[in-house]
Amino acid sequence: SQKIEQNSEALNIQEGKTATLTCNYTNYSPAYLQWYRQDPGRGPVFLLLIRENEKEKRKERLKVTFDTTLKQSLFHITASQPADSATYLCALLDQTGANNLFFGTGTRLTVIP
Amino acid sequence: GAGVSQSPRYKVAKRGQDVALRCDPISGHVSLFWYQQALGQGPEFLTYFQNEAQLDKSGLPSDRFFAERPEGSVSTLKIQRTQQEDSAVYLCASSLVIATGFSTDTQYFGPGTRLTVL
Repeated sequence: SQKIEQNSEALNIQEGKTATLTCNYTNYSPAYLQWYRQDPGRGPVFLLLIRENEKEKRKERLKVTFDTTLKQSLFHITASQPADSATYLCALLDQTGANNLFFGTGTRLTVIP
Repeated sequence: GAGVSQSPRYKVAKRGQDVALRCDPISGHVSLFWYQQALGQGPEFLTYFQNEAQLDKSGLPSDRFFAERPEGSVSTLKIQRTQQEDSAVYLCASSLVIATGFSTDTQYFGPGTRLTVL
């Protein structure tokens, strides 16, 4: 069956450290993978996109890697801040041609001051 | 407003009632998506519109769910004879271009409507 798993439901880290979130998928052929941030009571907000032929993407303090052999994406937030506390969702567009995104269950990140 | 708006933000319905959820996408956005997000889960695709055409409704969980976008802008998701398992947040998203050929166009999400069925 198809699955998108994110490493843990919740992750607590100390301010200033690097947060690393994991997204693993099974039985998908992603055309690309995206990461979103979702705050309580709000819809997801797009952060980064990485295509299947790209290894790494960066945007300010954010970095995403994509390993199609391992079927895994890693999402890093460097120099984390309490304002980074939120749920982070990975999502992929499958190459079957469907137009919709498939989302993981999310990881709730808490950055402790 | 610049973003996607949804109304109502909260809806409580008695089991068996019909509900209608509204989505106002960003002006000019061609593509519109509906997702269902259960508590502690990621969003799950329900249906997709390109302008007024409903091109994919494969995610609708039953024939009690119906969506429309008659003029290619505002969309309504209707749920008939609501059941307790319909309780969730219903998210609407829009994007500027047509979502074909692995479009990488960003989807902009609304705040969602939280539906609680008693």
